[in-house]
Amino acid sequence: EVQLVQSGAEVKKPGESLKISCKASGYSFPSYWIAWVRQEPGKGLEWMAIIYPVDSDTTYNPSFQGLVTISVDKSIDTAYLQWSSLKASDTAMYYCVRGSTITTFYDSWGQGTLVTVSS
Amino acid sequence: EIVMTQSPVTLSVSLGERATLSCRASQSVNSNLAWYQQRPGQAPRLLIYGVSTRATGVPARFSGSGSGTEFTLTISSLQSEDFAVYYCQQYNQWPPFAFGPGTRLD
Repeated sequence: EVQLVQSGAEVKKPGESLKISCKASGYSFPSYWIAWVRQEPGKGLEWMAIIYPVDSDTTYNPSFQGLVTISVDKSIDTAYLQWSSLKASDTAMYYCVRGSTITTFYDSWGQGTLVTVSS
Repeated sequence: EIVMTQSPVTLSVSLGERATLSCRASQSVNSNLAWYQQRPGQAPRLLIYGVSTRATGVPARFSGSGSGTEFTLTISSLQSEDFAVYYCQQYNQWPPFAFGPGTRLD
């Protein structure tokens, strides 16, 4: 069974750094792209960025470029989303998703990681 | 950048009724259009891809149609578990692979 299991909820203060994870299982991790999707409270879905585990080829939504960094560790089949300096506006649910190519739909979703940034 | 719109924002329907949800793209996305369902408190899940192909395990009461810029998701006979938010997504042109704003079934 394909699974994407994300790290648990986080509560952080503005200015702090954070790295959340997405552990893949049930398939060949290098064979699929991993993307990240943001959902602010009560809002819709926003595509943030995508990465190819084989070579870490990465593409960002211009709206998120420079604000977050995505990466992978192929040795442990895990993808990451990180912030160097959080803002209150980063408060949201973040989902990792799997796609077979860079231009495709997402057939598997993580359960989501809720990030709350508050002073 | 392709912009996706969905209508209506909210659709009030009853059990057993037919629901028709619309999705429009600001330019052609060919057949690169997917639909996702998000139940309250859950992650979204893939329903339809390639405009009309149901994902694994999706009941036959869900169907997709359309081409180019105009797309439709139809639920033929609503069940209680279908009351959710539905998003369309284009994956024809990147970045970003835009999602629509969603339609809520009430």
